Amino acid sequence: DAGVIQSPRHEVTEMGQEVTLRCKPISGHDYLFWYRQTMMRGLELLIYFNNNVPIDDSGMPEDRFSAKMPNASFSTLKIQPSEPRDSAVYFCASSLQTGAIGNTIYFGEGSWLTVV
Amino acid sequence: GQQLNQSPQSMFIQEGEDVSMNCTSSSIFNTWLWYKQDPGEGPVLLIALYKAGELTSNGRLTAQFGITRKDSFLNISASIPSDVGIYFCAGRPIQGAQKLVFGQGTRLTINP
Repeated sequence: DAGVIQSPRHEVTEMGQEVTLRCKPISGHDYLFWYRQTMMRGLELLIYFNNNVPIDDSGMPEDRFSAKMPNASFSTLKIQPSEPRDSAVYFCASSLQTGAIGNTIYFGEGSWLTVV
Repeated sequence: GQQLNQSPQSMFIQEGEDVSMNCTSSSIFNTWLWYKQDPGEGPVLLIALYKAGELTSNGRLTAQFGITRKDSFLNISASIPSDVGIYFCAGRPIQGAQKLVFGQGTRLTINP
């Protein structure tokens, strides 16, 4: 079974440009998460969705960040305009509905973003 | 927000040695997870713990969910070169049960 699929794997962009990161969760998973990883702050939860609905976006750093989940098999994280401090690895992850044993979160391979 | 204190931050060991790392929290968690991250990859789940006191093994890895529900440890026995990487603990707090809180990671380096 395919895992969480993210694209692009690597992106280098200029400051001020729009960046769109994409994610396909594991089929059948109800929850989708976007995390950001940096050396200084480690893994931070940005936002998560349940059944395509955003539940908690308190981790989104500022208005330049937005996330959507138009259907159960696709989500995007957009940064507009991008800034050098947005350089990080962005992970998408998914899981089954809460409460069930075995409800663990599975990560994609990450999108490595560099803003110059 | 909630944080996990993971230690040590880094370890330099000889191949064949045993490894131990742990995570502590000031609040109660109802799930503890241990992940490993290889360079250029996403975290991969190693062990999941769901009950206080639970002790679970996965090959050479053993992890325990602390009785107080505020801590967990991971042991690796007889380390091998492919154990190199960053190990993260993660906990699911009682409040906000879907949100995983991650430790800062333990970077393991093995000298052959």
